[in-house]
Amino acid sequence: GAGVSQSPSNKVTEKGKDVELRCDPISGHTALYWYRQSLGQGLEFLIYFQGNSAPDKSGLPSDRFSAERTGGSVSTLTIQRTQQEDSAVYLCASSPGGSSGNTIYFGEGSWLTVV
Amino acid sequence: AQKVTQAQTEISVVEKEDVTLDCVYETRDTTYYLFWYKQPPSGELVFLIRRNSFDEQNEISGRYSWNFQKSTSSFNFTITASQVVDSAVYFCALRRSGGYQKVTFGTGTKLQVIP
Repeated sequence: GAGVSQSPSNKVTEKGKDVELRCDPISGHTALYWYRQSLGQGLEFLIYFQGNSAPDKSGLPSDRFSAERTGGSVSTLTIQRTQQEDSAVYLCASSPGGSSGNTIYFGEGSWLTVV
Repeated sequence: AQKVTQAQTEISVVEKEDVTLDCVYETRDTTYYLFWYKQPPSGELVFLIRRNSFDEQNEISGRYSWNFQKSTSSFNFTITASQVVDSAVYFCALRRSGGYQKVTFGTGTKLQVIP
């Protein structure tokens, strides 16, 4: 696609349920990032993928959070046993990688509300 | 470790005034990239500019200009003759060049332009 695509755009879930957030990066982009932004806050880094591997997952806040990327393309961020503090916008971004492109482009985000 | 500091949390200006958003960064890398992003109320992060650490030339794009000074580790952003549509949160970011490409964001500056 032309841009980074994320789904769902909005998700309301009950506390304790699992959720999956999907990111479809710009075609050909090898680097993929997940960030989280709580209401009125800055961007919190979660995880970075280069291809299908994640050299840096240091930002995942707990073992309830996991992410995978398959085929060097689509990525899924999974939150298990959601808590109210997980409510935030989850932003995915991608970048061409390599030396030719170091700008990252963001999707519109998935707004998660845990009730 | 990399760090980006945006000391101004919120700024309010009257339309047509000039405003400068400050960004100070820390990195041990000799080559790196600096970015500014705009996040309007709709939520999507919009890329504005990328700057290579080798290039200290100031850049102007319409009403926007950027002042990169390596000596003070600053990359400030000025909006001339501000307009209501400039109201947004602006993020400064830093990224290593090549290899692992983690992007570190500042906490953002919320700009409100009052008509």
